Amino acid sequence: GAGVSQTPSNKVTEKGKYVELRCDPISGHTALYWYRQSLGQGPEFLIYFQGTGAADDSGLPNDRFFAVRPEGSVSTLKIQRTERGDSAVYLCASSLTLSAGKQFFGPGTRLTVL
Amino acid sequence: DQQVKQNSPSLSVQEGRISILNCDYTNSMFDYFLWYKKYPAEGPTFLISISSIKDKNEDGRFTVFLNKSAKHLSLHIVPSQPGDSAVYFCAASSPGTGGTSYGKLTFGQGTILTVHP
Repeated sequence: GAGVSQTPSNKVTEKGKYVELRCDPISGHTALYWYRQSLGQGPEFLIYFQGTGAADDSGLPNDRFFAVRPEGSVSTLKIQRTERGDSAVYLCASSLTLSAGKQFFGPGTRLTVL
Repeated sequence: DQQVKQNSPSLSVQEGRISILNCDYTNSMFDYFLWYKKYPAEGPTFLISISSIKDKNEDGRFTVFLNKSAKHLSLHIVPSQPGDSAVYFCAASSPGTGGTSYGKLTFGQGTILTVHP
């Protein structure tokens, strides 16, 4: 498909475990964004990349969260020592260039920490 | 600190009538505003946007109004259709230091719109 894809669609893990969430942006999109959406809330910004570099990571809640985009395409969000409060839907978006408007979102990964 | 607020959790309207969704913000640095629509199990979809230099932007059945002095924006859908039933998010962006950060969106909590046939 031509849209943003995220894998897995659902992830259940135990408290204290390590998880990786993957995002495949639309081909040719240079900017990539990660958001987190908790139940009943709007998406909350985590980090965005312009190319391979993290242009703004001010939304990452603490140092247990880390994201990479080594080749400027696929990105992985990594969460160490997961906590129950990390349970949420993690959304990825991409855009042709850095843009507030034309961000195309993937369906998200639902993370549940037991 | 909720910088973008949608105070109505839900809205129910009859097909063919107007739907008005409201959004308030507190950060005066916001200069670009957007509405996204979200269906269950899907990611948000961009709907319409407005720059702070304008007070109105129209796209088909969708119109966004911006009142900067009141720090308020609204989305009007006319006429409403059952397929418009979804969660609507208001979002805002500001230029960060050095002119970057247009990519960072701050979202409201969302309003569930239900359009009845």
